[in-house]
This record gives sequence, C-alpha cells and structure tokens, in this order.
Amino acid sequence: GQSLEQPSEVTAVEGAIVQINCTYQTSGFYGLSWYQQHDGGAPTFLSYNGLDGLEETGRFSSFLSRSDSYGYLLLQELQMKDSASYFCVLSGSSYKLIFGSGTRLLVRP
Amino acid sequence: DAGVTQSPTHLIKTRGQQVTLRCSPKSGHDTVSWYQQALGQGPQFIFQYYEEEERQRGNFPDRFSGHQFPNYSSELNVNALLLGDSALYLCASSLLDSSGIYEQYFGPGTRLTVT
Repeated sequence: GQSLEQPSEVTAVEGAIVQINCTYQTSGFYGLSWYQQHDGGAPTFLSYNGLDGLEETGRFSSFLSRSDSYGYLLLQELQMKDSASYFCVLSGSSYKLIFGSGTRLLVRP
Repeated sequence: DAGVTQSPTHLIKTRGQQVTLRCSPKSGHDTVSWYQQALGQGPQFIFQYYEEEERQRGNFPDRFSGHQFPNYSSELNVNALLLGDSALYLCASSLLDSSGIYEQYFGPGTRLTVT
C-alpha cells in the first residue's frame, strides 16, 4: 500500500523559516505534492516535485529525494496567514491523490 | 472564472437515511474526484469520474455511489448512513492530463453530520 508520515504540529515565529518533513512508502508514484488548508477552507495546491531536487515558488520551496523516500516543504519569511494545515500528497498514474494526515503549522507573532 | 462549487454547505442526517451531495467543477475541467475528510485527518479518496463513468475507486463500501452528468457536474450519494460517515466531503476537479496527476482544485466542501 501507500502511506505518508509527517509531524502533526509545528510552531514557528513570524518572519522565521520552517521545514515540514514527509516520509512515504509506496511501490510507485509520479511525484510528491504539497497542499495547504486553512481551517474551514478547501485544500489548495502549493507545489509539486516530479523529479528529485528542489522546486521554488516564491516563499515556498519543496524538495524530493526518491532514494530516501523523503520530501519536505520549506516556508520562508513566515507570515501569520501561513498558519494552516499542510499535507504532503502522493500522486500517480491513477490520478487519485493520497494525502498524509497533515501538519498543523502555528505561526506566532 | 468560477471555481469548484458544492452544495449544500452543511447537512444533518439521521442514521439509516440517504444523502446526495452536489458538485460543479471549475470551468473547463472534465474530471471530478470526491474525498472524505474526517476531523483532524487528511482527505481520503472516494472515487473519480470522467466522461460520466467511474474511473477510479478508493476503499469505500458500495453505500457510496456517484454520478457525473454531461455538463461534468457530479453527485455523491451515500445510503444507509452511519455515524462514522460524519465528515467533510470535498469535491475536486481537474483535467485528465499531465497536470491533473498532481493539481486538483477543491471546493469548499459539504459538512455532513449524522446523528
């Protein structure tokens, strides 16, 4: 089967940098995505790694290492509005998304 | 450009009843997926519809069924409701192309409470 593990909760200070790690088990997949979900809101797509390495999108960066079954999401210059849940997501040829249980990020002033 | 819309926003049902949830995909999208999200958990894939047919199905019982209409909108039906069916039901739309593999657009969800 497929499974993902990520920390349940992370706390950081406004303006700081935070890294949310994700490890996964799968027999085959296309890539690792990250989604953000604010309380009461819909999940929104942040980033996708189809290849090993770093992808940068503004203040957000995501990394994938297939050999280590590991990825992370890096958020820089944290803002209060970044307080949300972040999900690492496996995607493959079936077009269905396999979500982790999510990491709740709390940004403090 | 309208995003994904879902109705109703909230719903309260009694055990054993049946419920129908509705979803309109983002303009131009042809694929609709449904997810169940329990409190404090990540969304779990229920099934996906493309060209009015169920294309993929997750580990959900036959009580969960769906439909896609010619205009790409979709319905999720749940029969014989159980207390454990209480959750946020999310609809997501995408294109069946390379981007659709990882980027889906989610609606705000329907919060279903079964009492």
